[in-house]
Amino acid sequence: SFELTQPPSVSVSPGQTATITCSGDALPKKYVYWYQHKPGQAPVLVIYKGSERPSGIPERFSGSNSGTTVTLTISGVQAEDEADYYCQSTDGSGIYDVIFGGGTKLSVL
Amino acid sequence: EVQLLESGGGLIHPGGSLRLSCAASGFSFSAYTMSWVRQTPGKGLEWVSYISGSGVTTNYAGSVKGRFTISRDNSKNTLYLQINSLRAEDTAVYYCARDPLTTGYFDFWGQGTLVTVSA
Repeated sequence: SFELTQPPSVSVSPGQTATITCSGDALPKKYVYWYQHKPGQAPVLVIYKGSERPSGIPERFSGSNSGTTVTLTISGVQAEDEADYYCQSTDGSGIYDVIFGGGTKLSVL
Repeated sequence: EVQLLESGGGLIHPGGSLRLSCAASGFSFSAYTMSWVRQTPGKGLEWVSYISGSGVTTNYAGSVKGRFTISRDNSKNTLYLQINSLRAEDTAVYYCARDPLTTGYFDFWGQGTLVTVSA
């Protein structure tokens, strides 16, 4: 199995751009998904298949891929974007093996 | 509107058992692969188990294999997780989640139900 590594925390001021990275050796061969999770709420899918945005997700959320690192970018960060963000992929070693990164706490100062 | 509503959590002693439920509405439940994902206190998300739309195929994370059983009743639009031989490290919020394409990601999640394992 492989691991996904995220920075524990990222801090930005409102209106700035936040970048959250997710690293893993097998990522060049994998799709990556990103979730936003606020305390006491259901996680929300914000990016799928690396760079696709689900219906209803603001355009300020975008995803990109560069080899073994994928990036979630939030442009023009708003206070409501403060949350934990998780990247996710599949291990591929079994029938259905989902793995998550450790999560990144985005603080909007 | 897609809705997933978990229930069945609570305080349970080590070694005990519990059955979690997830009531689904707003979509054709039997057409979708479903999973349980948990978040332990102060830690991140961990995928626990998955079940195919028909209920025939299942899989489990290594940490719960042999102790947890996932099932579904498509006539009741309900997903279940039977959890046995509970350990302190099973303390978590348990979420049910829908996989839109059976490719291993989740487009809708429930609000979660808290399971606390403590003596």
